[in-house]
Amino acid sequence: EPEVTQTPSHQVTQMGQEVILRCVPISNHLYFYWYRQILGQKVEFLVSFYNNEISEKSEIFDDQFSVERPDGSNFTLKIRSTKLEDSAMYFCASRDTGRGNTIYFGEGSWLTVV
Amino acid sequence: AQSVAQPEDQVNVAEGNPLTVKCTYSVSGNPYLFWYVQYPNRGLQFLLKYITGDNLVKGSYGFEAEFNKSQTSFHLKKPSALVSDSALYFCAVRDWASGAGSYQLTFGKGTKLSVIP
Repeated sequence: EPEVTQTPSHQVTQMGQEVILRCVPISNHLYFYWYRQILGQKVEFLVSFYNNEISEKSEIFDDQFSVERPDGSNFTLKIRSTKLEDSAMYFCASRDTGRGNTIYFGEGSWLTVV
Repeated sequence: AQSVAQPEDQVNVAEGNPLTVKCTYSVSGNPYLFWYVQYPNRGLQFLLKYITGDNLVKGSYGFEAEFNKSQTSFHLKKPSALVSDSALYFCAVRDWASGAGSYQLTFGKGTKLSVIP
């Protein structure tokens, strides 16, 4: 069964450093997403991406965050200058076209900022 | 604005007994409703969804959920629980009025299901 894959599975970084989280969405999907889950809290929407541009973003997705689809397969989330409160599990997700189509999530990337 | 409530932080059930994990929602339009499961140190796995049609939807691993519009609920059920069902369960909603490109799911806080042997 096709799946969303994410790397790294776990990353520890120092505060102020830049981090790039990588994702390979399901191959025929056109919509891509990042969500995050701070330990013990809800899964929160960050950003959606379609046709090589951001289609929607939440208040969390401020100027320190950016997304990119550098080639035909990868989808990345960059955090420019990490803060302690960025420590979370970051989930990449993708879906096919259509209003009701299911959004499929990857296994997540644990980011720990120290 | 859309929201989801999962009133129980934890549900304990004996193996072989039926289980229910509760979810209520609030949207301004019509809801798309989803259940996801998260096993320890794993990602979110899709279980089932309600888009339209039959109020009782069946999903993976023998789970089902019933959409109740009047009670704005979408409770997850399984007739006979297995120890392997022990995990964290998330209900999520999307407002049907959203544009096709917007798929901002709003999640509940999750319910930890423990199935006791």
